[in-house]
Amino acid sequence: NAGVMQNPRHLVRRRGQEARLRCSPMKGHSHVYWYRQLPEEGLKFMVYLQKENIIDESGMPKERFSAEFPKEGPSILRIQQVVRGDSAAYFCASSGTLNTEAFFGQGTRLTVV
Amino acid sequence: DQQVKQNSPSLSVQEGRISILNCDYTNSMFDYFLWYKKYPAEGPTFLISISSIKDKNEDGRFTVFLNKSAKHLSLHIVPSQPGDSAVYFCAASTTGANSKLTFGKGITLSVRP
Repeated sequence: NAGVMQNPRHLVRRRGQEARLRCSPMKGHSHVYWYRQLPEEGLKFMVYLQKENIIDESGMPKERFSAEFPKEGPSILRIQQVVRGDSAAYFCASSGTLNTEAFFGQGTRLTVV
Repeated sequence: DQQVKQNSPSLSVQEGRISILNCDYTNSMFDYFLWYKKYPAEGPTFLISISSIKDKNEDGRFTVFLNKSAKHLSLHIVPSQPGDSAVYFCAASTTGANSKLTFGKGITLSVRP
Protein backbone atom coordinates (compact mmCIF):
# COMPACT_ATOMS: atom_id res chain seq x y z
CA ASN A 1 0.00 0.00 0.00
CA ALA A 2 2.09 2.83 -1.34
CA GLY A 3 1.99 6.14 0.43
CA VAL A 4 1.71 9.56 -1.17
CA MET A 5 4.15 9.69 -4.05
CA GLN A 6 5.70 12.91 -5.25
CA ASN A 7 8.03 13.41 -8.14
CA PRO A 8 10.50 14.61 -8.86
CA ARG A 9 12.19 14.76 -5.47
CA HIS A 10 14.47 17.53 -6.64
CA LEU A 11 13.85 19.98 -9.45
CA VAL A 12 16.16 22.71 -10.69
CA ARG A 13 14.79 25.38 -12.98
CA ARG A 14 16.23 28.56 -14.40
CA ARG A 15 14.37 31.80 -13.85
CA GLY A 16 11.54 32.11 -16.34
CA GLN A 17 11.09 28.38 -16.91
CA GLU A 18 8.08 26.31 -15.90
CA ALA A 19 8.03 23.84 -13.03
CA ARG A 20 5.64 20.89 -12.85
CA LEU A 21 5.31 18.98 -9.62
CA ARG A 22 3.38 15.73 -9.48
CA CYS A 23 1.54 14.03 -6.67
CA SER A 24 -0.15 10.65 -6.59
CA PRO A 25 -2.33 10.31 -3.49
CA MET A 26 -2.60 7.20 -1.39
CA LYS A 27 -4.82 4.52 -2.85
CA GLY A 28 -8.43 5.27 -2.09
CA HIS A 29 -7.79 8.92 -1.20
CA SER A 30 -9.69 11.52 -3.15
CA HIS A 31 -8.63 14.66 -1.27
CA VAL A 32 -5.31 16.28 -2.20
CA TYR A 33 -3.61 19.25 -0.55
CA TRP A 34 -0.51 21.15 -1.56
CA TYR A 35 1.70 22.93 0.98
CA ARG A 36 4.85 24.98 0.58
CA GLN A 37 7.66 25.25 3.09
CA LEU A 38 10.01 28.18 2.75
CA PRO A 39 13.37 28.12 4.57
CA GLU A 40 12.99 28.53 8.34
CA GLU A 41 9.21 28.51 8.02
CA GLY A 42 6.39 26.11 8.70
CA LEU A 43 4.26 24.59 5.99
CA LYS A 44 1.82 26.96 4.34
CA PHE A 45 -1.42 25.73 2.80
CA MET A 46 -1.72 26.43 -0.90
CA VAL A 47 -4.63 24.55 -2.41
CA TYR A 48 -7.12 21.74 -1.76
CA LEU A 49 -8.47 19.66 -4.61
CA GLN A 50 -10.77 16.75 -5.19
CA LYS A 51 -11.03 14.90 -8.48
CA GLU A 52 -11.55 17.47 -11.24
CA ASN A 53 -12.39 20.20 -8.73
CA ILE A 54 -10.50 22.92 -6.92
CA ILE A 55 -12.18 23.23 -3.54
CA ASP A 56 -10.03 25.87 -1.84
CA GLU A 57 -7.20 27.81 -3.43
CA SER A 58 -7.00 30.54 -0.84
CA GLY A 59 -3.27 29.95 -0.28
CA MET A 60 -2.24 30.03 -3.92
CA PRO A 61 -0.42 33.07 -5.28
CA LYS A 62 -2.71 34.85 -7.72
CA GLU A 63 -0.34 34.67 -10.63
CA ARG A 64 1.88 32.00 -12.18
CA PHE A 65 0.62 29.18 -9.94
CA SER A 66 -2.05 26.64 -10.88
CA ALA A 67 -3.11 23.21 -9.74
CA GLU A 68 -5.21 20.40 -11.10
CA PHE A 69 -6.33 16.94 -10.10
CA PRO A 70 -7.70 15.25 -13.23
CA LYS A 71 -10.05 12.30 -13.29
CA GLU A 72 -7.13 10.10 -14.26
CA GLY A 73 -3.55 10.57 -13.20
CA PRO A 74 -1.72 12.52 -10.54
CA SER A 75 -2.36 15.98 -9.20
CA ILE A 76 -0.13 18.60 -10.80
CA LEU A 77 1.14 21.83 -9.28
CA ARG A 78 2.36 24.09 -12.05
CA ILE A 79 4.49 27.18 -11.60
CA GLN A 80 5.03 29.31 -14.67
CA GLN A 81 7.93 31.72 -15.17
CA VAL A 82 9.61 30.71 -11.94
CA VAL A 83 11.51 33.24 -9.85
CA ARG A 84 14.12 32.76 -7.14
CA GLY A 85 11.50 33.30 -4.45
CA ASP A 86 9.69 30.14 -5.60
CA SER A 87 12.59 28.05 -4.30
CA ALA A 88 11.07 25.94 -1.54
CA ALA A 89 9.97 22.45 -0.58
CA TYR A 90 6.53 21.62 -1.92
CA PHE A 91 4.59 18.94 -0.10
CA CYS A 92 1.51 17.11 -1.19
CA ALA A 93 -0.86 15.42 1.26
CA SER A 94 -3.91 13.25 0.80
CA SER A 95 -6.78 12.15 2.97
CA GLY A 96 -9.58 9.66 2.49
CA THR A 97 -12.51 11.52 3.96
CA LEU A 98 -13.32 14.88 5.42
CA ASN A 99 -11.47 15.78 8.59
CA THR A 100 -9.25 12.75 8.75
CA GLU A 101 -5.53 12.91 9.13
CA ALA A 102 -3.66 13.89 6.03
CA PHE A 103 -0.68 11.82 4.95
CA PHE A 104 2.21 13.63 3.36
CA GLY A 105 4.53 12.77 0.54
CA GLN A 106 8.28 13.24 0.75
CA GLY A 107 8.12 16.55 -1.04
CA THR A 108 9.68 18.14 -4.09
CA ARG A 109 12.51 20.54 -3.45
CA LEU A 110 12.45 23.22 -6.13
CA THR A 111 15.55 25.29 -6.69
CA VAL A 112 15.41 28.24 -9.05
CA VAL A 113 18.79 29.37 -10.33
CA ASP B 1 -0.52 36.75 10.95
CA GLN B 2 0.73 33.62 12.68
CA GLN B 3 -2.38 31.76 13.85
CA VAL B 4 -0.39 28.82 15.21
CA LYS B 5 2.71 29.69 17.17
CA GLN B 6 5.57 27.55 18.32
CA ASN B 7 7.65 30.11 20.11
CA SER B 8 10.63 27.95 21.02
CA PRO B 9 12.63 27.05 17.94
CA SER B 10 14.54 24.26 19.63
CA LEU B 11 14.61 21.96 22.64
CA SER B 12 17.32 19.65 23.94
CA VAL B 13 16.62 16.91 26.49
CA GLN B 14 18.44 13.95 27.94
CA GLU B 15 17.46 10.47 26.82
CA GLY B 16 14.91 8.99 29.22
CA ARG B 17 13.61 12.35 30.39
CA ILE B 18 10.38 14.04 29.38
CA SER B 19 10.17 16.33 26.34
CA ILE B 20 7.47 19.00 26.45
CA LEU B 21 6.73 20.83 23.22
CA ASN B 22 4.40 23.80 23.39
CA CYS B 23 2.04 25.38 20.89
CA ASP B 24 -0.30 28.36 21.06
CA TYR B 25 -3.06 29.37 18.68
CA THR B 26 -5.07 32.52 18.19
CA ASN B 27 -8.01 31.41 16.06
CA SER B 28 -10.85 30.36 18.36
CA MET B 29 -12.50 28.56 15.43
CA PHE B 30 -9.83 25.86 15.46
CA ASP B 31 -11.27 22.68 16.92
CA TYR B 32 -8.90 19.97 15.77
CA PHE B 33 -5.20 19.86 16.53
CA LEU B 34 -2.43 17.64 15.29
CA TRP B 35 1.26 17.06 15.79
CA TYR B 36 3.51 16.03 12.95
CA LYS B 37 7.10 14.87 13.12
CA LYS B 38 9.53 15.60 10.32
CA TYR B 39 12.98 14.27 9.55
CA PRO B 40 15.27 16.13 7.13
CA ALA B 41 14.46 15.54 3.46
CA GLU B 42 11.25 13.70 4.32
CA GLY B 43 7.62 14.68 4.50
CA PRO B 44 5.82 15.28 7.81
CA THR B 45 4.54 12.16 9.53
CA PHE B 46 1.34 12.27 11.53
CA LEU B 47 1.96 11.64 15.23
CA ILE B 48 -1.11 12.34 17.32
CA SER B 49 -4.23 14.48 17.28
CA ILE B 50 -6.84 15.86 19.63
CA SER B 51 -10.33 17.18 19.18
CA SER B 52 -11.50 20.24 21.09
CA ILE B 53 -14.05 18.15 22.96
CA LYS B 54 -11.16 16.49 24.79
CA ASP B 55 -8.36 17.84 26.92
CA LYS B 56 -6.01 14.90 26.67
CA ASN B 57 -5.14 12.18 24.21
CA GLU B 58 -2.52 9.53 24.78
CA ASP B 59 -0.79 7.14 22.42
CA GLY B 60 2.10 5.18 23.85
CA ARG B 61 4.90 7.54 24.79
CA PHE B 62 3.08 10.52 23.30
CA THR B 63 0.42 12.57 25.06
CA VAL B 64 -1.18 15.75 23.81
CA PHE B 65 -2.86 18.15 26.23
CA LEU B 66 -5.28 20.85 25.16
CA ASN B 67 -6.20 23.93 27.22
CA LYS B 68 -8.92 25.66 25.23
CA SER B 69 -9.32 28.62 27.55
CA ALA B 70 -5.63 29.41 27.17
CA LYS B 71 -5.57 28.41 23.49
CA HIS B 72 -2.58 26.25 24.28
CA LEU B 73 -1.60 22.70 23.58
CA SER B 74 1.45 20.68 24.41
CA LEU B 75 3.00 17.42 23.34
CA HIS B 76 4.67 15.29 26.00
CA ILE B 77 7.10 12.56 25.03
CA VAL B 78 8.15 10.26 27.82
CA PRO B 79 10.59 8.69 27.96
CA SER B 80 12.43 10.56 25.22
CA GLN B 81 14.61 8.52 22.88
CA PRO B 82 17.40 9.59 20.49
CA GLY B 83 15.20 8.52 17.57
CA ASP B 84 12.71 11.19 18.59
CA SER B 85 15.17 13.85 17.43
CA ALA B 86 13.33 15.66 14.64
CA VAL B 87 11.33 18.79 13.88
CA TYR B 88 7.86 18.75 15.42
CA PHE B 89 5.06 20.77 13.86
CA CYS B 90 1.87 21.72 15.59
CA ALA B 91 -1.12 22.10 13.24
CA ALA B 92 -4.75 23.10 13.58
CA SER B 93 -7.91 22.95 11.54
CA THR B 94 -11.61 23.65 11.76
CA THR B 95 -14.45 21.19 11.44
CA GLY B 96 -15.63 21.12 7.88
CA ALA B 97 -12.38 22.63 6.64
CA ASN B 98 -11.51 19.40 4.98
CA SER B 99 -8.18 18.78 6.69
CA LYS B 100 -6.85 22.15 5.58
CA LEU B 101 -4.13 22.61 8.15
CA THR B 102 -2.51 25.70 9.59
CA PHE B 103 1.00 24.89 10.77
CA GLY B 104 3.35 26.43 13.28
CA LYS B 105 6.98 27.00 12.35
CA GLY B 106 8.16 23.88 14.12
CA ILE B 107 10.39 22.98 17.05
CA THR B 108 13.65 21.11 16.61
CA LEU B 109 13.93 18.47 19.31
CA SER B 110 17.32 16.97 20.10
CA VAL B 111 17.46 14.01 22.47
CA ARG B 112 20.95 13.48 23.86
CA PRO B 113 22.06 9.89 24.50
